[in-house]
Amino acid sequence: DGGITQSPKYLFRKEGQNVTLSCEQNLNHDAMYWYRQDPGQGLRLIYYSQIVNDFQKGDIAEGYSVSREKKESFPLTVTSAQKNPTAFYLCASSRRQAQNTEAFFGQGTRLTVV
Amino acid sequence: SQQGEEDPQALSIQEGENATMNCSYKTSINNLQWYRQNSGRGLVHLILIRSNEREKHSGRLRVTLDTSKKSSSLLITASRAADTASYFCATVQGGGYNKLIFGAGTRLAVHP
Repeated sequence: DGGITQSPKYLFRKEGQNVTLSCEQNLNHDAMYWYRQDPGQGLRLIYYSQIVNDFQKGDIAEGYSVSREKKESFPLTVTSAQKNPTAFYLCASSRRQAQNTEAFFGQGTRLTVV
Repeated sequence: SQQGEEDPQALSIQEGENATMNCSYKTSINNLQWYRQNSGRGLVHLILIRSNEREKHSGRLRVTLDTSKKSSSLLITASRAADTASYFCATVQGGGYNKLIFGAGTRLAVHP
């Protein structure tokens, strides 16, 4: 089935550690996005990518890094520089050419600092 | 920065009633989209309305867009308990980057 897959579903991180969240899609979408969601809040854009080997910072990029080496994959690394990483992380993808296009979301990764 | 802001933040209604949620935004847009999120899950796309459209329907959903007021509304008619979820509006800003920005959402509770 076509779709977008995030892993793991739950992730625990010790303070000072870097962790990487996986996002894979088989929808042949050019654009991919990472969002952070805190309890009871909306989605805030971390990074987005419109094409392989290119990505742009969103509104809250500090303490995060990404790569886009393959069209299907857009991993997010939460670095030790992110002081409050506990949150729900959502990955999405969409077509790029048409601006009037919907985004498809993964089921999210819940990251907790222990 | 949040582009879309939903109103109300929370809404509680009985089954069979209609639910109306509003969204305001600040800059020019190419389109406005509404999404639904069940607790602890990913978002699901509901409907997209382009900047040159004023109203759109999909099943029990009706969306309006007023670009002069920079606002949109989502109406769910004859609500069901299964409609209980958070609803978000999202806007695509211009500039060719297809940057999709979400608001804070409306939490809808539909009671049997």
